[in-house]
Amino acid sequence: SAVISQKPSRDICQRGTSLTIQCQVDSQVTMMFWYRQQPGQSLTLIATANQGSEATYESGFVIDKFPISRPNLTFSTLTVSNMSPEDSSIYLCSATGAGTDTQYFGPGTRLTVL
Amino acid sequence: AQSVTQLDSQVPVFEEAPVELRCNYSSSVSVYLFWYVQYPNQGLQLLLKYLSGSTLVKGINGFEAEFNKSQTSFHLRKPSVHISDTAEYFCAVSPSPAGFQKLVFGTGTRLLVSP
Repeated sequence: SAVISQKPSRDICQRGTSLTIQCQVDSQVTMMFWYRQQPGQSLTLIATANQGSEATYESGFVIDKFPISRPNLTFSTLTVSNMSPEDSSIYLCSATGAGTDTQYFGPGTRLTVL
Repeated sequence: AQSVTQLDSQVPVFEEAPVELRCNYSSSVSVYLFWYVQYPNQGLQLLLKYLSGSTLVKGINGFEAEFNKSQTSFHLRKPSVHISDTAEYFCAVSPSPAGFQKLVFGTGTRLLVSP
């Protein structure tokens, strides 16, 4: 299994600002993903973070709002840009290792936008 | 496309009672199935998974699930719950095999265990 850490664990931000969330995996993984979990709801996939190339975004999510980087096999960042209160959610990073079909999750970043 | 239905948004049970959390899925291809648990203010933890083979899958913390292809179900069971099992449980599906693809989650079931 992969152990995934995220920073920050939580933050309170002002409307119109941006926040970058970091995701670190303890081993090389093949795929990394970013999810959003709005209050009281299930997880929605934002994008697949591709190493060395642009992320693949799901319908309803755009790069200008959620820029993602993945400079190597164990690290990725998600930026929530120009935040509004509707962006208040838990953002989770996940990853799958080579030869496995199981996705492991980080502890999440709890974001509150005022 | 795949979809997952968890009909019960909340399941209250007494401690030491058995519990079943229901999950049905829809897919036109073979699938992998997963149950994740989310304890309060924490991330998701893998409880168990079905990839192939035996349809009865055993996971951590005494949980098990049975894959029923004809009924397209993957219900989660535990014969005797503890207070510490209080959490949100998510069923998820991904297509198989052809490499790993994105997970589709159900809406979750909140298990409330009381003394």
